[in-house]
Amino acid sequence: EVQLVESGGGSVQPGGSLRLSCAASGFTFSTYWIHWVRQPPGKGLVWVAQISTDGNFATYADSVKGRFTISRDNAKNTLYLQMNSLRGEDTALYYCVRSPHYDFDSWGQGTLVTVSS
Amino acid sequence: QSALTQPPSASGSPGQSVTISCTGTSSDVGGYNHVSWYQQQPGKAPKLMIHEVTKRPSGVPDRFSGSKSGNTASLTISGLQTEDEADYYCTSFTDTNTYVFGTGTKVTVL
Repeated sequence: EVQLVESGGGSVQPGGSLRLSCAASGFTFSTYWIHWVRQPPGKGLVWVAQISTDGNFATYADSVKGRFTISRDNAKNTLYLQMNSLRGEDTALYYCVRSPHYDFDSWGQGTLVTVSS
Repeated sequence: QSALTQPPSASGSPGQSVTISCTGTSSDVGGYNHVSWYQQQPGKAPKLMIHEVTKRPSGVPDRFSGSKSGNTASLTISGLQTEDEADYYCTSFTDTNTYVFGTGTKVTVL
């Protein structure tokens, strides 16, 4: 069974940092592109970032470019999202998502990030 | 990276059909067949319903279908059932090698 389990969320002040993790199991992690998608409370889905199978290529939404960094450790079957210079508008539930081919077929349950003073 | 435009709501009685539109530009929806649709029930993670514009993953009922014309993609739910009541989102690959989601549509079964 495919499982994606996010962790690392929490409350942080504006300007602060957090690192999210996503532990994958039940599939060959190193053969899939993986994404982060977020959902602000009561609002819609927003794509955040993606990373290639070998970790050498990544792209980001304009809203997080230069502040967030996506990375992966295929030996540990784990995806990361380093979030710096956090803002109130980054408050959201962050999902780790598997992508077989330009779509998102498996989602974690999400980890909540709250940015507030 | 503006969100794709979806109607905020759609509704129908059990057994009827409902169609949700998803309008983008030639840089996303119109330029690629990489459009997919997701169903999100309250408090749950989204679920893939349609990928590559028209393809249905295993286990998704055949009353769900997708199409595209120009810069607008559509999801049709035929034979609406009470369990179809949920939020629906489209997404598309874009020409900057990123993705963009739609604004979301709440489907109500009357």
